[in-house]
Amino acid sequence: GAGVSQSPSNKVTEKGKDVELRCDPISGHTALYWYRQSLGQGLEFLIYFQGNSAPDKSGLPSDRFSAERTGGSVSTLTIQRTQQEDSAVYLCASSFGPFETQYFGPGTRLLVL
Amino acid sequence: KQEVTQIPAALSVPEGENLVLNCSFTDSAIYNLQWFRQDPGKGLTSLLLIQSSQREQTSGRLNASLDKSSGRSTLYIAASQPGDSATYLCAVDPSGNDYKLSFGAGTTVTVRA
Repeated sequence: GAGVSQSPSNKVTEKGKDVELRCDPISGHTALYWYRQSLGQGLEFLIYFQGNSAPDKSGLPSDRFSAERTGGSVSTLTIQRTQQEDSAVYLCASSFGPFETQYFGPGTRLLVL
Repeated sequence: KQEVTQIPAALSVPEGENLVLNCSFTDSAIYNLQWFRQDPGKGLTSLLLIQSSQREQTSGRLNASLDKSSGRSTLYIAASQPGDSATYLCAVDPSGNDYKLSFGAGTTVTVRA
């Protein structure tokens, strides 16, 4: 596609439910990143994929968070047993390679009630 | 750990005035520095990327400077317009063995018509 796309654009869920967030990177980009932007805070790195492998999961805040990438393309970020502090904008980015310019998607706004 | 600070947090100027946005970082061992724009409810748009070996980058009315030794970057926007109203984020890409961007909290700019 022309740019990074994310779905859904907005998600409201109840505390304790699981959610899945999807990212479609730019075609041909091998590197994919997930970031989180909480209200009043800067963006924090969550996880990085090179191809289908995630060599760095150090940013995932707890074991309730997981992510996968299939076919070197689409990635899914899953949050299990959501908590109110998970409410944030989740941004996905992709780049041609790991040290290339990162292009960001529009984000998914998650609200946990 | 790299700390990125942006001052001021918010800025309001009349149309036509030049904008000066500041970004400072604590670890000068960086690979590059990038300025992004974020509109409300939208993702990030890359404005300028400065490699560590460069002193500045220019694109239209935008000019970004980088002083690695002092850990500072400045984004200048000439002859501001209401359409420049947005949040501007700077992000540091650490030295080449790491790809995680470290973001500042942003400066929210309002240009009054």
